[in-house]
Amino acid sequence: AQSVTQLDSHVSVSEGTPVLLRCNYSSSYSPSLFWYVQHPNKGLQLLLKYTSAATLVKGINGFEAEFKKSETSFHLTKPSAHMSDAAEYFCVVSDLPGGYNKLIFGAGTRLAVHP
Amino acid sequence: DTGVSQDPRHKITKRGQNVTFRCDPISEHNRLYWYRQTLGQGPEFLTYFQNEAQLEKSRLLSDRFSAERPKGSFSTLEIQRTEQGDSAMYLCASSSKETQYFGPGTRLLVL
Repeated sequence: AQSVTQLDSHVSVSEGTPVLLRCNYSSSYSPSLFWYVQHPNKGLQLLLKYTSAATLVKGINGFEAEFKKSETSFHLTKPSAHMSDAAEYFCVVSDLPGGYNKLIFGAGTRLAVHP
Repeated sequence: DTGVSQDPRHKITKRGQNVTFRCDPISEHNRLYWYRQTLGQGPEFLTYFQNEAQLEKSRLLSDRFSAERPKGSFSTLEIQRTEQGDSAMYLCASSSKETQYFGPGTRLLVL
């Protein structure tokens, strides 16, 4: 069965410093992986997706993630945090390749950004 | 930009009452999904449709829950005899390929 584990429930950074949100996955086959962001009182927004193309995936708002099969990881990074990045971030795996089927979400990582 | 819309955005009901939520997907998206998100957790899959056919239902979807997608357009999720444990955010998403686009959700509070 497919699953994801987000290693940190809360991450706090200062504005302008790097962001690292960690995610490990478990999958029976080559997975499709996603990062979604959820701002308060707003819907889930796709940040980026990996679907077996390039292992380094660039997303919106300066975020990127690297798929590492040997480590079963898909960590999300950003070189410089902005106050507007404060939100809940979810690492997600699709239960079938291509993301056509149901998504399996991690428990989420709440990112706080301090001035 | 006509994204996924959900109605109502908020619903407060008393235990034992029935509630119905509506989801309007992005036009021409043939797949529609329902998820439930409780406080402090990630969303959990409930069910999905390809066009009008309901292809999968989670074990979370007890017999008090029913979902429909007549004519393969909008979808409704009905909860009968609501319980306090049903209090959650109910999210709808639609897709045509690998990316699922989410609506703003319906927040349900059962008193």
